Amino acid sequence: EAQVTQNPRYLITVTGKKLTVTCSQNMNHEYMSWYRQDPGLGLRQIYYSMNVEVTDKGDVPEGYKVSRKEKRNFPLILESPSPNQTSLYFCAARDRVSYGYTFGSGTRLTVV
Amino acid sequence: AQSVTQPDIHITVSEGASLELRCNYSYGATPYLFWYVQSPGQGLQLLLKYFSGDTLVQGIKGFEAEFKRSQSSFNLRKPSVHWSDAAEYFCAVDFQGGSEKLVFGKGTKLTVNP
Repeated sequence: EAQVTQNPRYLITVTGKKLTVTCSQNMNHEYMSWYRQDPGLGLRQIYYSMNVEVTDKGDVPEGYKVSRKEKRNFPLILESPSPNQTSLYFCAARDRVSYGYTFGSGTRLTVV
Repeated sequence: AQSVTQPDIHITVSEGASLELRCNYSYGATPYLFWYVQSPGQGLQLLLKYFSGDTLVQGIKGFEAEFKRSQSSFNLRKPSVHWSDAAEYFCAVDFQGGSEKLVFGKGTKLTVNP
């Protein structure tokens, strides 16, 4: 089954404590992307990657880092989380032909 | 700035009634257009997409959408709504057509009454 797997599903952390949200896909897709979803704001793109070692900023990249060392993995790193990064995060992947992203189930992050 | 507008934050329909969810975008010569659905506690699932060609596109779960370039709109329709259609619906636009930058609308929450 085609899947995008995010871990953890839920995370509560404290301000300033570095964390990583993992994302893995089993579809061998080139393109991957991270979004955050906030009430009343919809989904906003944080970072995207077009292939291994190729990443670029989306609309709200401040406070986040990503890496793409392997095709299947695209972790999201928060070096020093702050309360305004409390949100629901989605990872997504697509192939270069069909477009239409496949989304993970989401990671609900709370920073206190 | 490029933007996607879903004018209706919340819509309530009765089961069996028809449905139309509206989506307008700011501008774009050759946009790629999408509708996604999000059930509570779930990720987003692609309902349908439009790149070019026939402006009426069919999707999964009995949904269809019509692209109207003159109105910069991509409205989602379903002839007869089922209770399981209750969810939040998002319109998304790739304004460059083939880029990786998807802009989402803020969503329309659909409630279905029995």
